[in-house]
Amino acid sequence: DIQMTQSPSTLSASVGDRVTITCRASQSISSWLAWYQQKPGKAPKLLIYKASSLESGVPSRFSGSGSGTEFTLTISSLQPDDFATYYCQHSWTFGQGTKVEIK
Amino acid sequence: EVQLVESGGGLVQPGGSLRLSCAASGFTFSSYWMSWVRQAPGKGLEWVANIKQDGSEKYYVDSVKGRFTISRDNAKNSLYLQMNSLRAEDTAVYYCARYRSGGSSLDYWGQGTLVTVSS
Repeated sequence: DIQMTQSPSTLSASVGDRVTITCRASQSISSWLAWYQQKPGKAPKLLIYKASSLESGVPSRFSGSGSGTEFTLTISSLQPDDFATYYCQHSWTFGQGTKVEIK
Repeated sequence: EVQLVESGGGLVQPGGSLRLSCAASGFTFSSYWMSWVRQAPGKGLEWVANIKQDGSEKYYVDSVKGRFTISRDNAKNSLYLQMNSLRAEDTAVYYCARYRSGGSSLDYWGQGTLVTVSS
């Protein structure tokens, strides 16, 4: 099975910061990667699909890049609403999550 | 508006059974792969099972194979998860989710239903 490894596990940042989260696959997955945002007590929300396609309604400060085995989710200017946990996903495997905290 | 509403969660003893339901609306249910994803308290997301549009293909995570059964009723726009031989480690919020057309990402999720396995 393909393993998905996210880093870091926790990230402390301030409003306005540029934030980057990395997801690595144990083998090539082409561009078949999605990113989700989850807030406490809520269901995950799809942000990015096929590595770099922005889901409808998602703010443009979110972007995804990468292919093969290394992928990134970037938030260009962190907003108060963005403090949450982020997961990458390929097929039936999720990364372990990255919690973005207020610095 | 796409809506997925889970029900059927609750407290069950180890070894017991529970059937989760997911009522879908706002889209052509029979045209989409569907999935169950769970999240243990304080933990990350874990895919549980998925099912093809017509129910002809089903896949499960190894830890639930032989104990859980995913099914759907397209006439009722409903997805189900029959859970038997429940264990403490099955305790989680269970989410119903829709696969994005043509891809492997999950574009709509229900609010989740909590299953607690405890004596």
